[in-house]
Parts: sequence; C-alpha cells; structure tokens
Amino acid sequence: DVKVTQSSRYLVKRTGEKVFLECVQDMDHENMFWYRQDPGLGLRLIYFSYDVKMKEKGDIPEGYSVSREKKERFSLILESASTNQTSMYLCASSLMGTGAYTEAFFGQGTRLTVV
Amino acid sequence: AQKVTQAQTEISVVEKEDVTLDCVYETRDTTYYLFWYKQPPSGELVFLIRRNSFDEQNEISGRYSWNFQKSTSSFNFTITASQVVDSAVYFCALSRARGGADGLTFGKGTHLIIQP
Repeated sequence: DVKVTQSSRYLVKRTGEKVFLECVQDMDHENMFWYRQDPGLGLRLIYFSYDVKMKEKGDIPEGYSVSREKKERFSLILESASTNQTSMYLCASSLMGTGAYTEAFFGQGTRLTVV
Repeated sequence: AQKVTQAQTEISVVEKEDVTLDCVYETRDTTYYLFWYKQPPSGELVFLIRRNSFDEQNEISGRYSWNFQKSTSSFNFTITASQVVDSAVYFCALSRARGGADGLTFGKGTHLIIQP
C-alpha cells in the first residue's frame, strides 16, 4: 500500500516563527503536492514538485516555500508564520504515469495553529 | 481558468435512502481527468474513482455509482442504500495541466450526514 506520512498531526506555533512541515512517501512517486484545506474553501494547491530539486507554484504560494532534496521527501516551509496560515495542510503524491494520470494519495494531514 | 462546483454544502438523509452528490466542472482542456475523494472524520482523503474525458460510461462499484455527462460538464456521484459509515465530506476534483501531474482543482466539498 502507498503510504504518505506527515511528520505531525497537530502543531501550534507562534507568529513569526519559521515552520517546517515534513512529508514522506514510500512508493517512489515522482509527483508530490502540498494543499491547504479551509472550511468552505475546499483544498487549494500551494506548491508541487515533479522531480528532485524541482518545484512549481500552485494557486496560493504566497508566504510559503518548499524543498525537495530527496525523491521521497517534500517539505513545506512557512518562513514567518502568520495567523492567517492557521489551517489543515495535506501532502499528496502520485506516479508520473505514461499518458494516464494516476490518483494522488494523501497523508493524514497536519492541523497547524498559529497563535 | 478551471473550476469545480459542488453546489450542495451539506446533505442529510436517513440511512438506507439513496443520495446524489452533484459536481459541475469547467475546463478548456480537451483531455482531462475527474476524481471523487472521500474524507471521513479521521481527515485522510480516500480516492474513490478516476474518469478520463474520453470515457463517458457510467460506473458502478457496489453501492456507489457515477454519472459522467460531458454535454453538461457534470460528474455526479450516487450512493444507493446509504449507511452511517458513508458519512463524510466528499470532494470532486479536476486534473490541472499535464493530466494532473500539476495537481488537482478541488470543489469545496459536500458534507454528507447519514442519520441512523
């Protein structure tokens, strides 16, 4: 079974702190994604990566950065956390595929509260 | 720009009733993929189905069925004889560029409540 593991289930940080959210997948997937989920807004794509050291902006990249030094690990970084970044963060991965896209597998989510 | 609309924010039915979750999408791509995911209270999104834009056949999997109609840009999901375990938030999603390798565009979700 594909497993996507996020390092923390719950996290509380102070405004201005630098925050790292870690995600590891064990199925050798090329694609990895970070989404945030907010009530009434669904999931929105922050950043994605389709290869080591590659990164692409999604729909809401402001205030975030990412790092992918190894294929299995994709980190989301909040350079200076703010209260409007309080949210549920979901990591996902998928196989690149050859013409047909395969489904994304999601981690259990990290609920981040910035105080 | 892409868009996925799930107009039903919340649906509540009594167990054993049939329920349909609506999904309408917008895209300029000629090739695209549509998905349904389930998010139970535990929080992890569970993949239910993928459908590509060239395949308009309806699909049935046990109590679940999906109706894809390209003419109306809809991809609706029906649960027959609902059960309490079906209670969850359901998301419809559309592939972004490169068949979805650039991620998915999600609807806002429908919270389904099945009452015993």
